[in-house]
Amino acid sequence: EAGVTQFPSHSVIEKGQTVTLRCDPISGHDNLYWYRRVMGKEIKFLLHFVKESKQDESGMPNNRFLAERTGGTYSTLKVQPAELEDSGVYFCASSQVEDGTEAFFGQGTRLTVV
Amino acid sequence: AQSVTQPDIHITVSEGASLELRCNYSYGATPYLFWYVQSPGQGLQLLLKYFSGDTLVQGIKGFEAEFKRSQSSFNLRKPSVHWSDAAEYFCASPGYSSASKIIFGSGTRLSIRP
Repeated sequence: EAGVTQFPSHSVIEKGQTVTLRCDPISGHDNLYWYRRVMGKEIKFLLHFVKESKQDESGMPNNRFLAERTGGTYSTLKVQPAELEDSGVYFCASSQVEDGTEAFFGQGTRLTVV
Repeated sequence: AQSVTQPDIHITVSEGASLELRCNYSYGATPYLFWYVQSPGQGLQLLLKYFSGDTLVQGIKGFEAEFKRSQSSFNLRKPSVHWSDAAEYFCASPGYSSASKIIFGSGTRLSIRP
């Protein structure tokens, strides 16, 4: 069974550009989460989808970040325009249960904004 | 506010030596607690979890952790480390106010001395 897959694994963009990260959850997992780790800091929650609906987006840092999950399958996280402080590793996770107790994580996308 | 603390940023141990990584939590009720590992180029992998019951929890790859309520700790241990254990380790707990949000410690990077 395929795990959680994230694309790309690395992305280097210039300040002001747009980047779109993609996450393919484990098949059948209704719950999809995005997390972010800024350099040297903790991994922090961004948002939680249940199917195509945003259950909790309290961790989204500002309106430059837009997450979507059309059709309740894969999800995208768009940063527009990117700023230097957006650099970090973005993790996606999915689970069958709604709480965080059985989440499977992807390998992360390392975003560098220069 | 709920928090998970890993006091050690970086630890180096010799191959074959024992290992203990520290984790402290701040939380009123008995928390759920996890340890995750991130090896280079890999995603976050769940090593073990504690929900209730036996306070000594066995995980994958020969790791174990002990929940100690009196010390608010959930330290990770391994009796003999292997070079392949070099990775970053994260202690974590589902959020008290929202279990779908996992709260992570800042991570401990483990290096193995040959």
